Amino acid sequence: GENVEQHPSTLSVQEGDSAVIKCTYSDSASNYFPWYKQELGKRPQLIIDIRSNVGEKKDQRIAVTLNKTAKHFSLHITETQPEDSAVYFCAASGYSTLTFGKGTMLLVSP
Amino acid sequence: DGGITQSPKYLFRKEGQNVTLSCEQNLNHDAMYWYRQDPGQGLRLIYYSQIVNDFQKGDIAEGYSVSREKKESFPLTVTSAQKNPTAFYLCASQAGANTEAFFGQGTRLTVV
Repeated sequence: GENVEQHPSTLSVQEGDSAVIKCTYSDSASNYFPWYKQELGKRPQLIIDIRSNVGEKKDQRIAVTLNKTAKHFSLHITETQPEDSAVYFCAASGYSTLTFGKGTMLLVSP
Repeated sequence: DGGITQSPKYLFRKEGQNVTLSCEQNLNHDAMYWYRQDPGQGLRLIYYSQIVNDFQKGDIAEGYSVSREKKESFPLTVTSAQKNPTAFYLCASQAGANTEAFFGQGTRLTVV
């Protein structure tokens, strides 16, 4: 089955800095890669996703890049703000279920 | 108001008891999922159902059971066979493969 590794487990940045979270996956058949944000005590919510026919996707301050050859994808957050503090999960799927990484706790200090 | 609803938000269980967690969605989604969330472990798949009256085991199905008698509902029973049931349980639904998963607000189960 699919295996998704996510790094780092914790990331601390100063407000205004950039943050990068990286994930690798094992199944070359995976073709959908979403990112979820989970604030403390709340449900995970989709923030951005990318499909295998696209190398990069941007939405305001967040972007995701995908390297299918290397089987890794990354989340980039620019100009971080305190409200970006949360746990971020990457995931991968082929034509069945989502497999999630273990999460990255992002702490943005004012 | 469309969405996916879990109840209760908090649940306490005595050792040896079975408990059932509720999950209801009005998004008309075919696929529904149950995940378990433990600190530092991410979201691990317990069971999933892609159509009414059918469901499949996920990665950690032992000690759990589900049913899918209606499209809108996918209850999870945590049985006494589950050795370490204390966790945060999340239900999710998707319209189909490789689409956005919508999550419920979760149920925190504690064994006392």
